[in-house]
Amino acid sequence: GQQVMQIPQYQHVQEGEDFTTYCNSSTTLSNIQWYKQRPGGHPVFLIQLVKSGEVKKQKRLTFQFGEAKKNSSLHITATQTTDVGTYFCAGPRTGGFKTIFGAGTRLFVKA
Amino acid sequence: GAGVSQSPRYKVAKRGQDVALRCDPISGHVSLFWYQQALGQGPEFLTYFQNEAQLDKSGLPSDRFFAERPEGSVSTLKIQRTQQEDSAVYLCASSLERANYGYTFGSGTRLTVV
Repeated sequence: GQQVMQIPQYQHVQEGEDFTTYCNSSTTLSNIQWYKQRPGGHPVFLIQLVKSGEVKKQKRLTFQFGEAKKNSSLHITATQTTDVGTYFCAGPRTGGFKTIFGAGTRLFVKA
Repeated sequence: GAGVSQSPRYKVAKRGQDVALRCDPISGHVSLFWYQQALGQGPEFLTYFQNEAQLDKSGLPSDRFFAERPEGSVSTLKIQRTQQEDSAVYLCASSLERANYGYTFGSGTRLTVV
């Protein structure tokens, strides 16, 4: 069935280092969404990308949607301890209502 | 309300017990979703409502799981005869209109079956 995969599963960085997580779908997506979940919290919607090759920025976060609309990435520049959490990508199932989430990339930031 | 509200926040159930989890979505939000999140995993889709209509229940794991949203606002997820494998965080999310746009999630109900 349709799958959304993320790598890496975990990432440990020193505060100030950059971080990137990658998302790959087994099928072409109409859009891709990114969420952040703090430890003990719930997923919080960050952004949605719709267009092929789209790039969007939110302060130190840069989101990219691949040309084929099957992959995406989230890049954080100069990580801070407040960036700690799990980052999920998610995409709609073809022909259905549900959104399929990746397993997430858990980011640890050492001060 | 200002956000999606879920209750209870925590629930401990004995195996075989029935439980009911409540979700109060953002006022006026048409779409409502239930997701199940196991520890260390991403949310897994359970079911989707558009107003009071349950348009997709393909993610419900068994016929012990039942969801309703009778008046198109508050929703209840019921699990009958709970099993240990039902232990997870149950997340409710709502969206203003379309099914496939960014959701606002509630804080979830952590269900532990002992």
